[in-house]
Amino acid sequence: QKEVEQDPGPLSVPEGAIVSLNCTYSNSAFQYFMWYRQYSRKGPELLMYTYSSGNKEDGRFTAQVDKSSKYISLFIRDSQPSDSATYLCAMSKETSGSRLTFGEGTQLTVNP
Amino acid sequence: GAGVSQTPSNKVTEKGKYVELRCDPISGHTALYWYRQSLGQGPEFLIYFQGTGAADDSGLPNDRFFAVRPEGSVSTLKIQRTERGDSAVYLCASSLSGTGGNYGYTFGSGTRLTVV
Repeated sequence: QKEVEQDPGPLSVPEGAIVSLNCTYSNSAFQYFMWYRQYSRKGPELLMYTYSSGNKEDGRFTAQVDKSSKYISLFIRDSQPSDSATYLCAMSKETSGSRLTFGEGTQLTVNP
Repeated sequence: GAGVSQTPSNKVTEKGKYVELRCDPISGHTALYWYRQSLGQGPEFLIYFQGTGAADDSGLPNDRFFAVRPEGSVSTLKIQRTERGDSAVYLCASSLSGTGGNYGYTFGSGTRLTVV
């Protein structure tokens, strides 16, 4: 069983829709949670970083962590065609020098 | 440089050959990471350098894989006796002082390795 599970999609939504992306994990040692966005043939870029359970908002993006359920989410409001990409959840046990464990990514297409 | 630079961007090699993949991190970033991303999968950790030394190499799949960072800047990932299963995108990332959290890693665009 993988330590981090993520529905690979693909997910296709109309422009302006609210998008919900989710990951579950099995290792309770994970303390730091991240969402990365990856465009085709590019490296992942950090979107959101959270520590501890709760919500964190940044513009149209909201990250949610529920450690008791080992479940994290990313919500995208007012989705735009430029949001079309693969979204990867990632987590680590420590903040300093720690490896990241990634989900397999969800491919999102926002249709104009 | 402005970002993490990886060369070559694409590499096609024959099974059994030796390859070297280069990573030039952001200037001043002391931490450097190598990940491997197979098609349709998330990146998988290979090795982490803090300065010149490998602080964690537990992700290297076998002894055909080796990485160096002799001067604490540029790193080279070396793969001996390549196999078709080594085909993947090899990603390099760097960060300030190994703090991958709030600063996040900055990834390069990767080297797409194809073993034929």
